[in-house]
Amino acid sequence: GDSVTQMEGPVTLSEEAFLTINCTYTATGYPSLFWYVQYPGEGLQLLLKATKADDKGSNKGFEATYRKETTSFHLEKGSVQVSDSAVYFCALSLANQAGTALIFGKGTTLSVSS
Amino acid sequence: DTEVTQTPKHLVMGMTNKKSLKCEQHMGHRAMYWYKQKAKKPPELMFVYSYEKLSINESVPSRFSPECPNSSLLNLHLHALQPEDSALYLCASSQVAGGPTAYNEQFFGPGTRLTVL
Repeated sequence: GDSVTQMEGPVTLSEEAFLTINCTYTATGYPSLFWYVQYPGEGLQLLLKATKADDKGSNKGFEATYRKETTSFHLEKGSVQVSDSAVYFCALSLANQAGTALIFGKGTTLSVSS
Repeated sequence: DTEVTQTPKHLVMGMTNKKSLKCEQHMGHRAMYWYKQKAKKPPELMFVYSYEKLSINESVPSRFSPECPNSSLLNLHLHALQPEDSALYLCASSQVAGGPTAYNEQFFGPGTRLTVL
């Protein structure tokens, strides 16, 4: 079935370090891919998205590129801040599946210290 | 307005109580969703409404009863819950459910944190 696999962490970094969170997917069709972020005590916020192969999503210094050949959508940021501490979820959504919602990975907890 | 609102923010209820969670969006979206999220876990889909009709029920116990009175509103009625139902309940909306990829982006509300005693 369709699924998303992401590194579970926790990931612990110092401020200004480089961040990579790996995400790979399995899908029967051509999914859209998303990264959502959840800050402590809050709901989910869409961080970035990509809807087709080779698309690059970017927002707030975060980037991810839709790689069809490796079925991956890794999240990167060049210099993390303490305020980036949160749980990050990779997710996919398949087109033209009536009523299909998001399929989430298990989430990666990021902790950034100053 | 790109906001999904949920009320209440917190809810504590006993196992014999009846309560309701409310979700509202004014983005003209025609699909709305209820998710349940336990601590340190991803959200789990409960229900999907498409054009105000229930299109997906992920085998949710009948003590959870969804309702979509109109295209902007989504309710979740709770009755005779168990302590294991304590969780964060998230509402989301998208332009359509299962349409072309451009319309699948979901916008989430802040959630209702439910505690069942």
